[in-house]
Amino acid sequence: AQSVTQLDSHVSVSEGTPVLLRCNYSSSYSPSLFWYVQHPNKGLQLLLKYTSAATLVKGINGFEAEFKKSETSFHLTKPSAHMSDAAEYFCVVSGGNTPLVFGKGTRLSVIA
Amino acid sequence: KAGVTQTPRYLIKTRGQQVTLSCSPISGHRSVSWYQQTPGQGLQFLFEYFSETQRNKGNFPGRFSGRQFSNSRSEMNVSTLELGDSALYLCASSPGPRDTEAFFGQGTRLTVV
Repeated sequence: AQSVTQLDSHVSVSEGTPVLLRCNYSSSYSPSLFWYVQHPNKGLQLLLKYTSAATLVKGINGFEAEFKKSETSFHLTKPSAHMSDAAEYFCVVSGGNTPLVFGKGTRLSVIA
Repeated sequence: KAGVTQTPRYLIKTRGQQVTLSCSPISGHRSVSWYQQTPGQGLQFLFEYFSETQRNKGNFPGRFSGRQFSNSRSEMNVSTLELGDSALYLCASSPGPRDTEAFFGQGTRLTVV
């Protein structure tokens, strides 16, 4: 069985300050992990993915995430938040012959 | 390269009616998955099709069904609509296996009144 826990339902940061969105996972398999972003009334866009290569994964728009097997975590970070980063972020796990499993999402607010 | 296209974008239906949603995957992609997104339940997997075969089905009642055509386009159908079926329905396409990158459409917003 696989599951994802996003530890914060809402994160608020000031523009120009670092972003940290936390995600813990559970998987019976060697997992693939993803972060998706959803802007209001839009579909989901892939930010980055981990598929058992380098543990530090760089994505689009300056985001990156580090896979830590010992902590079963895959936190998303960005050094400096922009107003355009305000959106809903989803951590997703996949593995074996199972569908994508989504976390509940973290809403990121960016304050000017 | 065109992205995933879902039609219609918005739909309003009455309780008891049925509805069909359509998804055209990215050209060359053979796997299509459907998800339901609601504020309360988040994103939940409905079903996945690969080469016209249903590979997996989520925990939804039999009122929810789907199919995939030989050109990889997919439809999902919901019969006897209930108020709780109001949601954003998202389609995702992948080249093949599920744990590769999935590309999502913008979704169909279904409102049941």
